[in-house]
Amino acid sequence: NAGVTQTPKFQVLKTGQSMTLQCAQDMNHEYMSWYRQDPGMGLRLIHYSVGAGITDQGEVPNGYNVSRSTTEDFPLRLLSAAPSQTSVYFCASGKREGYYEQYFGPGTRLTVT
Amino acid sequence: GQQVMQIPQYQHVQEGEDFTTYCNSSTTLSNIQWYKQRPGGHPVFLIQLVKSGEVKKQKRLTFQFGEAKKNSSLHITATQTTDVGTYFCAGSNAGGTSYGKLTFGQGTILTVHP
Repeated sequence: NAGVTQTPKFQVLKTGQSMTLQCAQDMNHEYMSWYRQDPGMGLRLIHYSVGAGITDQGEVPNGYNVSRSTTEDFPLRLLSAAPSQTSVYFCASGKREGYYEQYFGPGTRLTVT
Repeated sequence: GQQVMQIPQYQHVQEGEDFTTYCNSSTTLSNIQWYKQRPGGHPVFLIQLVKSGEVKKQKRLTFQFGEAKKNSSLHITATQTTDVGTYFCAGSNAGGTSYGKLTFGQGTILTVHP
């Protein structure tokens, strides 16, 4: 199993550009989520999904969209990038039986200039 | 909304000293999880506590969940340089579509001087 994969690893965007961060898992986990990590702020939940077709907002959803058309994939879309979105983004997945113990991907480091 | 506070933010210890990080939630939790993130890496699951007053051990690491299920601690005995990293607690409330939604503490950055 590859676990949780994220692409790209690094990305530089200009203000106003849009892009999609990809996340995939091959563990058949129901739960998937996106976090951003900023120094001193810990991990903040952006959006999450408890199954295909179901998504919900987390703590900091503004400026981001998600969809979950399959169990495996959970892309995060930045609609119009802003410097405040410069961060490290982690995707995670988990299964209900484990109370959603989360498996994290390697992260995407995004810089918005 | 739910808030999870973690202290201290930083801890510097000499190798062999003990280390403790504390986690407090503004609401009662259904479970609490602990993660470790090495520098430059991603968070890795360590353990989960579910029952009130639960204590679990992993070698030199001891995890506790408070009786009221609103606080938790991680204690490392005789730290080693391999313990370096950021330790996060993360709490969850049960029920409905928010089941499994984790709120993370800010993390404690541990440095160990050899």
